[in-house]
Amino acid sequence: ETGVTQSPTHLIKTRGQQVTLRCSSQSGHNTVSWYQQALGQGPQFIFQYYREEENGRGNFPPRFSGLQFPNYSSELNVNALELDDSALYLCASSSSGRGSNEQFFGPGTRLTVL
Amino acid sequence: SQQGEEDPQALSIQEGENATMNCSYKTSINNLQWYRQNSGRGLVHLILIRSNEREKHSGRLRVTLDTSKKSSSLLITASRAADTASYFCATALSILTGGGNKLTFGTGTQLKVEL
Repeated sequence: ETGVTQSPTHLIKTRGQQVTLRCSSQSGHNTVSWYQQALGQGPQFIFQYYREEENGRGNFPPRFSGLQFPNYSSELNVNALELDDSALYLCASSSSGRGSNEQFFGPGTRLTVL
Repeated sequence: SQQGEEDPQALSIQEGENATMNCSYKTSINNLQWYRQNSGRGLVHLILIRSNEREKHSGRLRVTLDTSKKSSSLLITASRAADTASYFCATALSILTGGGNKLTFGTGTQLKVEL
């Protein structure tokens, strides 16, 4: 167990709806990264939050947005859901600073869009 | 987009044999990391090798890194049925201001270890 928790575990939504996924980072970690993993693929970087601000973003549209709270937990919000948003969403926490920061992953939220 | 590609895509071996997985990537990196994933669940960090290192060991794991060829390999010795999982390499680049690394994952190798 990494100490990173995510909720909910599974979620089913329909196209056009909005969804919020939550992540609690490991104690002592102030950076949270979000990844999307489509079936049979490797995870793809969505964005990272550090000190409550977005600190880098992957190739995802603006309808993917996030928040980080003072306790370093984080939310991922996706608006106007599309079928292709069906995936496993992973968050990872790490400590700040450049260099070799190991990222600790949560168990993921499985999102199905119908 | 995926940074790297793992080879092979799938590997099936007998318990006790060694398993070797290769990873190629495209850009310069701070470090390269290997992760294991069981049945679509969370990723478990296995080992990290920095860009100035060539080889690293951890238990039954041996990782090599060749930055001139932009490639890495993961060797699992004396494999066990419990090693059955998907294995991903991930390259790390620093992101902007101080927050940490962005990981770019490969496509993964599915390893099956049979009794």
